[in-house]
Amino acid sequence: NAGVTQTPKFRVLKTGQSMTLLCAQDMNHEYMYWYRQDPGMGLRLIHYSVGEGTTAKGEVPDGYNVSRLKKQNFLLGLESAAPSQTSVYFCASSPGQETQYFGPGTRLLVL
Amino acid sequence: RKEVEQDPGPFNVPEGATVAFNCTYSNSASQSFFWYRQDCRKEPKLLMSVYSSGNEDGRFTAQLNRASQYISLLIRDSKLSDSATYLCVVKNAGNMLTFGGGTRLMVKP
Repeated sequence: NAGVTQTPKFRVLKTGQSMTLLCAQDMNHEYMYWYRQDPGMGLRLIHYSVGEGTTAKGEVPDGYNVSRLKKQNFLLGLESAAPSQTSVYFCASSPGQETQYFGPGTRLLVL
Repeated sequence: RKEVEQDPGPFNVPEGATVAFNCTYSNSASQSFFWYRQDCRKEPKLLMSVYSSGNEDGRFTAQLNRASQYISLLIRDSKLSDSATYLCVVKNAGNMLTFGGGTRLMVKP
């Protein structure tokens, strides 16, 4: 039981490049979330999903898109990366109105 | 004003000391409250939930004051392994969590 995994662990992009971050969970959780963490800002919710095929915007959704085609996977896309998107990205999942379990994070540097 | 505010610290304390962190939240409709722990370059992990009556888990005690919109975490007999960042977290409607910026604790020998 791996819990929540994230791919890749670290990535460097040039401004304007695109990429997809993958989050996978093997706990059969309905809810999944993408956050970004910046120094002094705490974690901020980008997008979330309450079940397969559903997505919704969080606090800071601009510049990101998401998809939840399979219950176990939640993808975060950056279509045209900007230096302001340099951050640590955390995925989380939860079975419902309960504790969220976080993945190990993806460190993204946009030059 | 941030929805969840914490003193960023760092709090530098010797082993064995008692240390307390505070957190304030602005949304009076907030439903649930938590403390998460985050080690350097790691993901946040749930430390404990915070209940209105106050609750204890070993050396850790959490308290909630809804009238003042204030949450606290007390750590007794600090260990070196307690060194981490402690995140105050508030749950609002729809299972959305709002995180404070965290309070950094450093326990020294």
